[in-house]
Amino acid sequence: DVVMTQSPLSLPVTLGQPASISCRSSQSLVHSDGNTYLNWFQQRPGQSPRRLISKVSNRDSGVPDRFSGSESGTDFTLKISRVEAEDVGVYYCMQGTHWPRTFGQGTKVEIK
Amino acid sequence: EVQLLESGGGLVQPGGSLRLSCAASGFTFSNYAMNWVRQAPGKGLEWVSTVGNTDATTYFADSVKGRFTISRDNSKNTLYLQMNSLRAEDTAVYYCVRGASGMDVWGQGTTVTVSS
Repeated sequence: DVVMTQSPLSLPVTLGQPASISCRSSQSLVHSDGNTYLNWFQQRPGQSPRRLISKVSNRDSGVPDRFSGSESGTDFTLKISRVEAEDVGVYYCMQGTHWPRTFGQGTKVEIK
Repeated sequence: EVQLLESGGGLVQPGGSLRLSCAASGFTFSNYAMNWVRQAPGKGLEWVSTVGNTDATTYFADSVKGRFTISRDNSKNTLYLQMNSLRAEDTAVYYCVRGASGMDVWGQGTTVTVSS
């Protein structure tokens, strides 16, 4: 199975400051179709998960442009340029290339 | 509006069975693979199962293989998860999710509690 390792697991941030979450996969996520199916999800307290980013860096409709995704080999990063109060929650990476699908452990973002 | 609405959760004894349903609306259901993803209390997300858009292809997590069955009725725009031989560790919120690789739309979840 592909292991997705997130860090940090807890991320206290100051409002208006940047934040960065790392996700490392245990093997390449490049699919035979040429796409890299690495997704990022946000789960606010008491809510269902919501996809923010697909295929490494494609923001979903309605997602603020302060969220961005990038990659370097098997290392993936979610960045929030300026954290707002509504960004509090748990963030998960997930690979959709290999079976079984696997998620990272989650990173809890909270305001200092 | 694209929507997924799960139902069928509840309290069941260990060894018992339960069938979850997910009613889809707002999109062409038969064009999409569909998934079940679960979240145990206070824990992270765990993929459970996927069915292809025509019901011909299915995948299961090792933790549920042989006990759970996934199916769909494209004429009713509905996804199902038949859960047998339930264990305490199956206790979780079960989410219905659209899309095999992207998982772009999630339902609100239905809670399954396995306890005597």
